[in-house]
Amino acid sequence: AQSVSQHNHHVILSEAASLELGCNYSYGGTVNLFWYVQYPGQHLQLLLKYFSGDPLVKGIKGFEAEFIKSKFSFNLRKPSVQWSDTAEYFCAVKSAGNMLTFGGGTRLMVKP
Amino acid sequence: NAGVTQTPKFQVLKTGQSMTLQCAQDMNHEYMSWYRQDPGMGLRLIHYSVGAGITDQGEVPNGYNVSRSTTEDFPLRLLSAAPSQTSVYFCASSRLDRTNSPLHFGNGTRLTVT
Repeated sequence: AQSVSQHNHHVILSEAASLELGCNYSYGGTVNLFWYVQYPGQHLQLLLKYFSGDPLVKGIKGFEAEFIKSKFSFNLRKPSVQWSDTAEYFCAVKSAGNMLTFGGGTRLMVKP
Repeated sequence: NAGVTQTPKFQVLKTGQSMTLQCAQDMNHEYMSWYRQDPGMGLRLIHYSVGAGITDQGEVPNGYNVSRSTTEDFPLRLLSAAPSQTSVYFCASSRLDRTNSPLHFGNGTRLTVT
């Protein structure tokens, strides 16, 4: 079965710091990759997705992610975080069928 | 533009009680699913459906039943609630197409079983 690992459970940054959140998955075949964000008290919203083409994907709010097939990774990055980026971030992978497997999430706190 | 609507938002049950969490979407999405969210474990898939009359088990189906009699509705039933089912439940839907449309989530139902 597919598994998704997010190694950082909690990240604390100051505003304007750069962000990189790790995501690794186990399935070696064709995958579709997603990053979702959950702001406090809200439901999950899509940040960006990759399903083919350019492995560097740009999403909303200045986020981007790079798919590295050889490393089974799909890390999320942002050059300069803002206080409003405080949220929980989930990596998700869709492989065979329609099941989406989520990582355990990373809680990001940005200090003003 | 309602999207995915879940009711109720909060629920407290006693062990052994039954209840149904409602989920409805107005986007004509073929795919609907239920997840539970627990701290440090991300979202785990309970059941999903790829169309009316079709349901399948996800990662953690035990203790839950679903049905899909219409495209719009996908209720989740707890037949005999247990404290281990205390969680936040999210319903999500998407199109089924070759571009792998992302999931649209409801606002969640926070369930406590005492």
